[in-house]
Amino acid sequence: QLQLQESGPGLVKPSETLSLTCTVSGGSISSSSYYWGWIRQPPGKGLEWIGSIYYSGSTYYNPSLKSRVTISVDTSKNQFSLKLSSVTAADTAVYYCARPRIAAAGTVLWFDPWGQGTLVTVSS
Amino acid sequence: SSELTQDPAVSVALGQTVRITCQGDSLRSYYASWYQQKPGQAPVLVIYGKNNRPSGIPDRFSGSSSGNTASLTITGAQAEDEADYYCNSRDSSGNLVVFGGGTKLTVL
Repeated sequence: QLQLQESGPGLVKPSETLSLTCTVSGGSISSSSYYWGWIRQPPGKGLEWIGSIYYSGSTYYNPSLKSRVTISVDTSKNQFSLKLSSVTAADTAVYYCARPRIAAAGTVLWFDPWGQGTLVTVSS
Repeated sequence: SSELTQDPAVSVALGQTVRITCQGDSLRSYYASWYQQKPGQAPVLVIYGKNNRPSGIPDRFSGSSSGNTASLTITGAQAEDEADYYCNSRDSSGNLVVFGGGTKLTVL
């Protein structure tokens, strides 16, 4: 059974880079046709897709964050990571890693499983 | 359009049926998926695609779609169904992902 677990600093200073890692267990991160993704949720607000990466390395980012986001995969550690640069208080959120799945000739996309989430606060 | 619109709040009497809707242009081309989120917990997938339930999700949860609107129906709502519900799909271009703003379901 695939399981995901986020890790990283819980406090980041404004203008610095937020870095998080998602460790995958119960399966190989480099399995063909697998995508991996990041989603965030500011306190009291809804879910926001940050971006996704295909096992081949192709990346897809939310246009509103694209200039600041990098998602990458480390197959040797069975992990994928998120870097968000030049953070502000607006980037304070619970960050989730999850596996996007696509089926039915691409007409359906869903996220399952999800990590438990990690709260990142941007403050000096 | 890259937006999905949900009603902010919906209520249902215990044991009754409730429909939670999600509207957006992308739903004319792509199916929605639905997630349940309880306070302090990660979202849990309840419906994906046309009307598929992951293992462990009660059959009182079902999904449907018509035009630009997707619906999550809970038939015989239980107290434990009180939660926030989010829809998501691919955007109209097919390259990106969008989430609805969420619906807070209260079971009376």
